[in-house]
Amino acid sequence: DAKTTQPPSMDCAEGRAANLPCNHSTISGNEYVYWYRQIHSQGPQYIIHGLKNNETNEMASLIITEDRKSSTLILPHATLRDTAVYYCIVRVRFGNEKLTFGTGTRLTIIP
Amino acid sequence: ETGVTQTPRHLVMGMTNKKSLKCEQHLGHNAMYWYKQSAKKPLELMFVYSLEERVENNSVPSRFSPECPNSSHLFLHLHTLQPEDSALYLCASSQDSRSFSEQYFGPGTRLTVT
Repeated sequence: DAKTTQPPSMDCAEGRAANLPCNHSTISGNEYVYWYRQIHSQGPQYIIHGLKNNETNEMASLIITEDRKSSTLILPHATLRDTAVYYCIVRVRFGNEKLTFGTGTRLTIIP
Repeated sequence: ETGVTQTPRHLVMGMTNKKSLKCEQHLGHNAMYWYKQSAKKPLELMFVYSLEERVENNSVPSRFSPECPNSSHLFLHLHTLQPEDSALYLCASSQDSRSFSEQYFGPGTRLTVT
């Protein structure tokens, strides 16, 4: 059962903000939202995670709605190197639950 | 450079061959993972090791045999594979396996079974 829903693909112009949505309407109170990305022919790369507050790091910002049923990953100034598949994952922080990557969103940055 | 290395990067093997994939992490992590990524399929978790002990085995066929001699090294031994086993095999590590702390992935081994 997929815990998250993401659009299969998106385009964004170089230099603009890329906003990637994720729906997780069945998220439970102790589950975090994690984002990873995978650039072609490379291993996945951790980006950011959050529980209910908005988070920001050097790579991206994560905006989680108040009801926590959806979130948006924001890449503030997209570059060509941000072209990748972006995965939104919902999981408890502690526990042996199997980690599941869905099919993600293929983000293409247009020059 | 994530601190996780994998060798070889590419491997072609016949169905009767025996080969091994190697993963090494230089991050001082206690947990290591093997994932399989087939074309147009989501990433699949195969094995989890925590402090050199296997803690998860997700119904992986016995032709895949993992080995974790110490917390820095992880192997995946392959024998009598099938063409459908052709995929990108990714190794990852994290501080521990119970807390879903950030996992750092290696570049992967692209395996082709002929």
